[in-house]
Amino acid sequence: SQQGEEDPQALSIQEGENATMNCSYKTSINNLQWYRQNSGRGLVHLILIRSNEREKHSGRLRVTLDTSKKSSSLLITASRAADTASYFCATRAGNMLTFGGGTRLMVKP
Amino acid sequence: ETGVTQTPRHLVMGMTNKKSLKCEQHLGHNAMYWYKQSAKKPLELMFVYSLEERVENNSVPSRFSPECPNSSHLFLHLHTLQPEDSALYLCASSQDYVKAGTVNTEAFFGQGTRLTVV
Repeated sequence: SQQGEEDPQALSIQEGENATMNCSYKTSINNLQWYRQNSGRGLVHLILIRSNEREKHSGRLRVTLDTSKKSSSLLITASRAADTASYFCATRAGNMLTFGGGTRLMVKP
Repeated sequence: ETGVTQTPRHLVMGMTNKKSLKCEQHLGHNAMYWYKQSAKKPLELMFVYSLEERVENNSVPSRFSPECPNSSHLFLHLHTLQPEDSALYLCASSQDYVKAGTVNTEAFFGQGTRLTVV
């Protein structure tokens, strides 16, 4: 069953703007992860945030986690055309790593 | 290259055929996963193996049969598939969370096998 749900499903922005994607989930988790997928390819891990963390940064990426609301957000700052891809959140609960439906991000040059 | 290799990259098969998908990882991980990605649907977790033992089976039809002979290799055996089984099949590996404790448990994905059932 689907654990995470991303919002919005699609996002189109201009190069240089910030992109924010949200993820909601339903059950308790050990950690939450964000992945990126270029069209028809495998997923690439971007960042992991543990259930006892509230915010994490990696380069132009900022992730927040609110376990009371069962939600997370991914912020990509100063976007580039090369950031065009689908972004997925995934929740880890024991052996299970469950993905949401993804946000399709298009960054226009 | 992520260290996870899937073969073949593309596969076309008839509904009466039997074929196998192969996944190999060289990362020293002890957990491996099969996911199905269909158009406009979320990634569906199919099977999870930890230390070569199947630990999760998400109500997958029996026409899909996984095999994990060792911690580096994972197969998905296919037989009498339906056209709706056409999808991108993704393999991933990670350290087993339960045994690794708080060790980083990100997953590394292969490039996938694009399966078309005709």
